[in-house]
Amino acid sequence: DGGITQSPKYLFRKEGQNVTLSCEQNLNHDAMYWYRQDPGQGLRLIYYSQIVNDFQKGDIAEGYSVSREKKESFPLTVTSAQKNPTAFYLCASSIGGDIYGYTFGSGTRLTVV
Amino acid sequence: RKEVEQDPGPFNVPEGATVAFNCTYSNSASQSFFWYRQDCRKEPKLLMSVYSSGNEDGRFTAQLNRASQYISLLIRDSKLSDSATYLCVMNSRTSGGGADGLTFGKGTHLIIQP
Repeated sequence: DGGITQSPKYLFRKEGQNVTLSCEQNLNHDAMYWYRQDPGQGLRLIYYSQIVNDFQKGDIAEGYSVSREKKESFPLTVTSAQKNPTAFYLCASSIGGDIYGYTFGSGTRLTVV
Repeated sequence: RKEVEQDPGPFNVPEGATVAFNCTYSNSASQSFFWYRQDCRKEPKLLMSVYSSGNEDGRFTAQLNRASQYISLLIRDSKLSDSATYLCVMNSRTSGGGADGLTFGKGTHLIIQP
């Protein structure tokens, strides 16, 4: 079955460490997105990519980096520059643009210890 | 004015009742509208798209009112399994292009009580 897979489900990071969250899709979708969700808050866009080897900053890109070397993969690195990284991270993909809505992965819950 | 506004609730509704949520938006250039459902500590899942003519899927009906800039979701004969947070979502692209991505409301929390 086609889908979008995020790993790990839970991640613990020490202060000052960089961590990378994985996102893989086999839906043949061109566009992929990273969102962050904090308790009681809406989803906020971190980065998005509409095509391989190209990506754009979203509303809260500071302290994060991404790459899009393959159509299927869009990993997110949370760097030590991100001051408040504890959150629920959601990866999504779409056929192209946003007229059909997005399909989400099951998320990664990152906690700084 | 916030881009997407929803009443956070919670809405406590007895099983079998009808419940309706509204969501207002500020970007008149928005073209695509959706309702997503999100269960506790899970990812959002697309419930239905919202069209100008209104659309129905079983017990769920969605409506779009462009003049007043709101969308609505009606749930009839509510079930215990309908308990969730319902997110109002729309594209945030301006009429002249600009940032891609959907804009998500903070959600309305619904609790169906037996």
